[in-house]
Amino acid sequence: KNEVEQSPQNLTAQEGEFITINCSYSVGISALHWLQQHPGGGIVSLFMLSSGKKKHGRLIATINIQEKHSSLHITASHPRDSAVYICAALDWGSGGGADGLTFGKGTHLIIQP
Amino acid sequence: DVKVTQSSRYLVKRTGEKVFLECVQDMDHENMFWYRQDPGLGLRLIYFSYDVKMKEKGDIPEGYSVSREKKERFSLILESASTNQTSMYLCASSLLMGTQYFGPGTRLLVL
Repeated sequence: KNEVEQSPQNLTAQEGEFITINCSYSVGISALHWLQQHPGGGIVSLFMLSSGKKKHGRLIATINIQEKHSSLHITASHPRDSAVYICAALDWGSGGGADGLTFGKGTHLIIQP
Repeated sequence: DVKVTQSSRYLVKRTGEKVFLECVQDMDHENMFWYRQDPGLGLRLIYFSYDVKMKEKGDIPEGYSVSREKKERFSLILESASTNQTSMYLCASSLLMGTQYFGPGTRLLVL
């Protein structure tokens, strides 16, 4: 089973700062999923990517398949970006079953005004 | 937009009670998932279903069972609730192994 590590576990930054959250995994994957969870519980999908880079507004996700590493960047951070960010590694080669899905423990981000 | 709904946002049950958590999705997704989320442990997969009446155990299936009689509905059952099952329960659905869409979560307290 894949092992997924996120860093940092907790991050507090000032409004406007550039934020980077890292995700590394131990076994080659088919795709990596970045999720955002706001206080109160709801989880929203941000990106699913299998190569290169994706951008949506102030959020950018990159993945380096060779290095087994992905990063989520937030530009011009804002207090409303405060949330838990979770990465999940998906391996379709495992037959599509439960073994092919591994979550990181999340990064708790606080952006102070 | 995909919509995943869960039957309750908050539940309080007593030890030994049978608990049903229901999840419904409206996008004809094959896959549905039940997770629990606990501080410091992140999301952990309880059960996964890839078709009607089909299920696979996740990382922590003990003490839980599931039912998927219709494609849009996936139920999580705690046969005899225990205090260590106090947690946030999240349901998700996806098309094959695509993006997962999550429900709002059910916060369960077992007394």
